[in-house]
Amino acid sequence: AQSVTQLDSQVPVFEEAPVELRCNYSSSVSVYLFWYVQYPNQGLQLLLKYLSGSTLVKGINGFEAEFNKSQTSFHLRKPSVHISDTAEYFCAVSYLQGAQKLVFGQGTRLTINP
Amino acid sequence: EAGVVQSPRYKIIEKKQPVAFWCNPISGHNTLYWYRQNLGQGPELLIRYENEEAVDDSQLPKDRFSAERLKGVDSTLKIQPAELGDSAVYLCASSLGGDGSYEQYFGPGTRLTVT
Repeated sequence: AQSVTQLDSQVPVFEEAPVELRCNYSSSVSVYLFWYVQYPNQGLQLLLKYLSGSTLVKGINGFEAEFNKSQTSFHLRKPSVHISDTAEYFCAVSYLQGAQKLVFGQGTRLTINP
Repeated sequence: EAGVVQSPRYKIIEKKQPVAFWCNPISGHNTLYWYRQNLGQGPELLIRYENEEAVDDSQLPKDRFSAERLKGVDSTLKIQPAELGDSAVYLCASSLGGDGSYEQYFGPGTRLTVT
């Protein structure tokens, strides 16, 4: 079965520190990969996506992610976080074959402390 | 450009009562999705429409849930009767196409509390 695992349910960091949110997926076939952010009482917003090509993907708000096919990972990084980055972050995968539906991880709550 | 609109934003009902959620997708988006997001979890797909046709409803509990997308634009999701376990946030999303590569645009959701 298709699945996405976000290894950390909560990540607290200090403002201006770097952060990495980890994501692993189960697959033996080609995939599309996404990171979405959800601010309190809002819907999900796309941060970045990997469809093909360069394995390093840059997104909005200074975030980037690296696709690692051998490790089936798509970790999200930011070199210096701000208070406004406090939110829930979701990794998601869709598969080129089959149902092509989006499967989400359980989310990582990023809390930025001053 | 207006985003995905959902109403109501909050709903509190007693168990066994019916409830309905409404969604207006982004203009021109042919694909519409309904997701359920339980507390502390990621969204889970309930149903996906391509225009008026429900092309994936495998995760929709059909004994109590129903959905429609008349004229291929707005959509309504209904629960009848509601159970305590239905308490969750119901998210609507839309995209230009149903290929898994398309970005999905999400509405703010309807938070349902069943007492």
